[in-house]
Amino acid sequence: NAGVTQTPKFRILKIGQSMTLQCTQDMNHNYMYWYRQDPGMGLKLIYYSVGAGITDKGEVPNGYNVSRSTTEDFPLRLELAAPSQTSVYFCASSLLPASGLYEQYFGPGTRLTVT
Amino acid sequence: QQQVKQSPQSLIVQKGGISIINCAYENTAFDYFPWYQQFPGKGPALLIAIRPDVSEKKEGRFTISFNKSAKQFSLHIMDSQPGDSATYFCAASRPGANNLFFGTGTRLTVIP
Repeated sequence: NAGVTQTPKFRILKIGQSMTLQCTQDMNHNYMYWYRQDPGMGLKLIYYSVGAGITDKGEVPNGYNVSRSTTEDFPLRLELAAPSQTSVYFCASSLLPASGLYEQYFGPGTRLTVT
Repeated sequence: QQQVKQSPQSLIVQKGGISIINCAYENTAFDYFPWYQQFPGKGPALLIAIRPDVSEKKEGRFTISFNKSAKQFSLHIMDSQPGDSATYFCAASRPGANNLFFGTGTRLTVIP
């Protein structure tokens, strides 16, 4: 049981480039989330999904897109990378909504630098 | 707008001492308050959580104290150990919400 896996671990992008951050969970969780973590700012929700085919915006969705074609996978797409998107990105999953007593399980993160 | 305010930003404690991290919120609809622990290079992991129907929850050396009237909650780490050195995040959620609102984090260093 690998839990939540993310690839790549590190990436350097040039301004204007595009990339996809991959996230996979093997716990059959319905809910999946993408967060970004910036120093002194905590974790901000970018997008989340309540099941395959259903996604919704979080607090900071601008500049990102997501899709959820399967229960296991929840990729995050950056179309035109900007320096403001330099951050550490975490994918998480939970069986039921985060508002319940159901733990969110986090992946190890992807450190992205845009220069 | 930060939904959950956390302090201090960093904390240094001697081994065996008590570490205290505080959080405050405004939204009275919040009814679930977890604490997450994050080691360097890792994702956060749930440490302990509380609902507002109790004023305190203890798990081993970790205790959450909850003050509903003051809209504040805190994490106490008793007999702090160097292995407790990590970043701690408080969070909150409300009924029907699909996400957690995280505090800004506290970097705890326990000196041997």
